[in-house]
Amino acid sequence: EVQLVQSGAEVKKPGESLKISCKGSGYSFTTYWIGWVRQMPGKGLEWMGIIYPGDSDTRYSPSFQGQVTISVDKSISTAYLRWSSLKASDTAMYYCARTQAAAGAFDPWGQGTLVTVSS
Amino acid sequence: SYELTQPPSVSVSPGQTASITCSGDKLGDKYAHWYQQKPGQSPVLVIYQDGKRPSGIPERFSGSNSGNTATLTISGTQAMDEADYYCQAWDSGTAFGGGTRLTVL
Repeated sequence: EVQLVQSGAEVKKPGESLKISCKGSGYSFTTYWIGWVRQMPGKGLEWMGIIYPGDSDTRYSPSFQGQVTISVDKSISTAYLRWSSLKASDTAMYYCARTQAAAGAFDPWGQGTLVTVSS
Repeated sequence: SYELTQPPSVSVSPGQTASITCSGDKLGDKYAHWYQQKPGQSPVLVIYQDGKRPSGIPERFSGSNSGNTATLTISGTQAMDEADYYCQAWDSGTAFGGGTRLTVL
């Protein structure tokens, strides 16, 4: 069974750094892209960026370029989303999802990681 | 950046057909994908590449894409189909529509 399992919920203070993870299993991790999607409370889906684990080719949404860093460790089939300095406006649910091509559909999705940033 | 526009809400009676539209410039020249999201759950792919159904998705879900509009159609809508639906397309980056809340009255 293809699965993406994300790390657990996080509560952080503004200015702190954070790295959340997404571990793939049940498929060849290096031959599918992994995307990250933000969903703020009560709002819609926003595409943040995408990475190809085979060669670490990474594309960012202009809205998130410079705000987050997407990386991967293919030796442990895990993708990451990192913030160097969190803001309260980063409070959201973050999903990872797999796609066969950068322009392709996302399937499946991880269970989501809730990030809460509050002083 | 590329914009996709969906109606905020659509209502349908049980057993009837629900149609949810997604509009974007020359969307018909791109692939459109559709997701269903129920409260507290992760999105689930229901239609990919305009009109293909993933394994496990009921036949009542179908899709089309032409001109500037992609359409998700749910035939014989059931109460369990009540959810938020999002369209997605790629144009130098992935774009999602704002989402449509489907209510089954």
